[in-house]
Amino acid sequence: KQEVTQIPAALSVPEGENLVLNCSFTDSAIYNLQWFRQDPGKGLTSLLLIQSSQREQTSGRLNASLDKSSGRSTLYIAASQPGDSATYLCAVKGEIVGGAQKLVFGQGTRLTINP
Amino acid sequence: EAGVAQSPRYKIIEKRQSVAFWCNPISGHATLYWYQQILGQGPKLLIQFQNNGVVDDSQLPKDRFSAERLKGVDSTLKIQPAKLEDSAVYLCASSLKVHSGNTIYFGEGSWLTVV
Repeated sequence: KQEVTQIPAALSVPEGENLVLNCSFTDSAIYNLQWFRQDPGKGLTSLLLIQSSQREQTSGRLNASLDKSSGRSTLYIAASQPGDSATYLCAVKGEIVGGAQKLVFGQGTRLTINP
Repeated sequence: EAGVAQSPRYKIIEKRQSVAFWCNPISGHATLYWYQQILGQGPKLLIQFQNNGVVDDSQLPKDRFSAERLKGVDSTLKIQPAKLEDSAVYLCASSLKVHSGNTIYFGEGSWLTVV
């Protein structure tokens, strides 16, 4: 059974710092990994999607890496801004089993950027 | 492009009452998901549809939860009777296909409080 863990559960940093959020998963047989952002009272917004054959994806100040063999992904945020404050979730999509393909989420990292 | 629509946004009911949530996915998306997110946790998949067929409902508490997707478009999730532990956000999501690397798009959620 796939398990996804995100550390730390909460992180508070001053504005302007570069930071890294971590995601680990127990089963390396994944299809892809997706990073989401969730603002309070809102749904999830997709940030980056990394296919299992890829090593990283970049979008603006965000860079996500994937190391399947070690079961790890990182989300790097450059030059953080107060507007980056949100909960960040990673989700792993597994291989097809019995016709279904599960997307398993971590518990998220609650990020606060202090002005 | 319109996103995933959900209603109602907020609902407060007493335990043992029933509630229904509605979801309209992004046009053309064959796959529809219902997730339950308890405060402080990552989303947990309840049920996954491909068109109007169920792909995965292994984590749906079938004694009290039911879901349908008639005509392969809109979907409803029903809880009857509700328990205190059902207090959560119910997120609907959609993607183009089940077995693909496509991004999953989430609605803003239906917030349920059971008192």
